[in-house]
Amino acid sequence: NAGVTQTPKFQVLKTGQSMTLQCAQDMNHEYMSWYRQDPGMGLRLIHYSVGAGITDQGEVPNGYNVSRSTTEDFPLRLLSAAPSQTSVYFCASSLAGLAGGRADTQYFGPGTRLTVL
Amino acid sequence: AQTVTQSQPEMSVQEAETVTLSCTYDTSESDYYLFWYKQPPSRQMILVIRQEAYKQQNATENRFSVNFQKAAKSFSLKISDSQLGDAAMYFCAYRSVGLNDYKLSFGAGTTVTVRA
Repeated sequence: NAGVTQTPKFQVLKTGQSMTLQCAQDMNHEYMSWYRQDPGMGLRLIHYSVGAGITDQGEVPNGYNVSRSTTEDFPLRLLSAAPSQTSVYFCASSLAGLAGGRADTQYFGPGTRLTVL
Repeated sequence: AQTVTQSQPEMSVQEAETVTLSCTYDTSESDYYLFWYKQPPSRQMILVIRQEAYKQQNATENRFSVNFQKAAKSFSLKISDSQLGDAAMYFCAYRSVGLNDYKLSFGAGTTVTVRA
């Protein structure tokens, strides 16, 4: 298993450019999510999905779009990049629901460091 | 979203000694999950330990243990016999147990430095 993979690892954009951060998992996890990490603020949830065809907003969704056409993939789109979107982005996945009454661990990808000039 | 507070931006510990990281949270729920994640310089988020609120027994994973005080809404992490590889940023996180609610709320993190 590759686990959760993210591409690219690093990206530099100019203000106004668009791009897609890719996330894929091979663990057949229903739940996938995107977080951004900024200094002094921990990780904040951008968007999440509880299964193919279902997405919802998290804490900081503005400026980002997502879709979930397959169980494996959950891309994050920046339609018009802004300097405020300079951050490290993490994708995470887990089994949905409670298996045996225990929370299922969320597995994180290696992150994408994005700089918007 | 629930608020998770880590009041120690940085902590330093001598190798082989013990360090305790604090975490408090705000919730009105009676059942939930708490986690500690480690983020080394590689940026990878690694689960260290998790605690289920309905369990009174404190979780332990090798040299890592927690002190879970539900009434005080406190969830501290103790690292015993600290090793150089423990140097990292540590995040406390909260998760509800509601249906279809798998969101993690994170604290701001504590950077741990281990002195040789």
